[in-house]
Amino acid sequence: AQTVTQSQPEMSVQEAETVTLSCTYDTSENNYYLFWYKQPPSRQMILVIRQEAYKQQNATENRFSVNFQKAAKSFSLKISDSQLGDTAMYFCAFMKGNSGGGADGLTFGKGTHLIIQP
Amino acid sequence: NAGVTQTPKFQVLKTGQSMTLQCAQDMNHNSMYWYRQDPGMGLRLIYYSASEGTTDKGEVPNGYNVSRLNKREFSLRLESAAPSQTSVYFCASILLSGLAGRRAIYEQYFGPGTRLTVT
Repeated sequence: AQTVTQSQPEMSVQEAETVTLSCTYDTSENNYYLFWYKQPPSRQMILVIRQEAYKQQNATENRFSVNFQKAAKSFSLKISDSQLGDTAMYFCAFMKGNSGGGADGLTFGKGTHLIIQP
Repeated sequence: NAGVTQTPKFQVLKTGQSMTLQCAQDMNHNSMYWYRQDPGMGLRLIYYSASEGTTDKGEVPNGYNVSRLNKREFSLRLESAAPSQTSVYFCASILLSGLAGRRAIYEQYFGPGTRLTVT
């Protein structure tokens, strides 16, 4: 079974600063995917960024980037030029790959509440 | 294209009552999922259906049943609701969006959630 750990229950930064959210995971799988989801007060789950474990290059989506350290089983999210709209819960999630095409579902961390101060 | 829809959005039940949460997706996805989210927790997998006609237990299946009615619809039933089932329930589906060699590329889509309170 996989586990995902987010060690920062809450973080607070000033607008325009850069913030890094931590995530570590434990798995014996070699083929897997990692994700960061944003959940604003509306509770909608919004995919922020995705990383395939077989890719060495870190994923980037505009102001969001990850630092994927496969050997250390670490997957941190960096938010640059933070904005008030970035205030939300952020969840790290793991999914085992399946070459047969089906997917077993996501394993989530407990989340980090990120607050962007004006 | 409505994505993943869930009904109802809110529900209050008394202990022992039954109900079914409905989920539908119009994106022709093969795999569908039910999660629950409790305060201070991430989402936890209840049941999933990797393909039409199959269902499997997730991390927290006790007290629930599911039906994959067809490719579009995946329902979650509480036969005898308990206060411990007070939670927010999310349905999700996955698209296999491509294959790189033998490795698949997935995209997940979540419904808006159902807030269930059992008194």
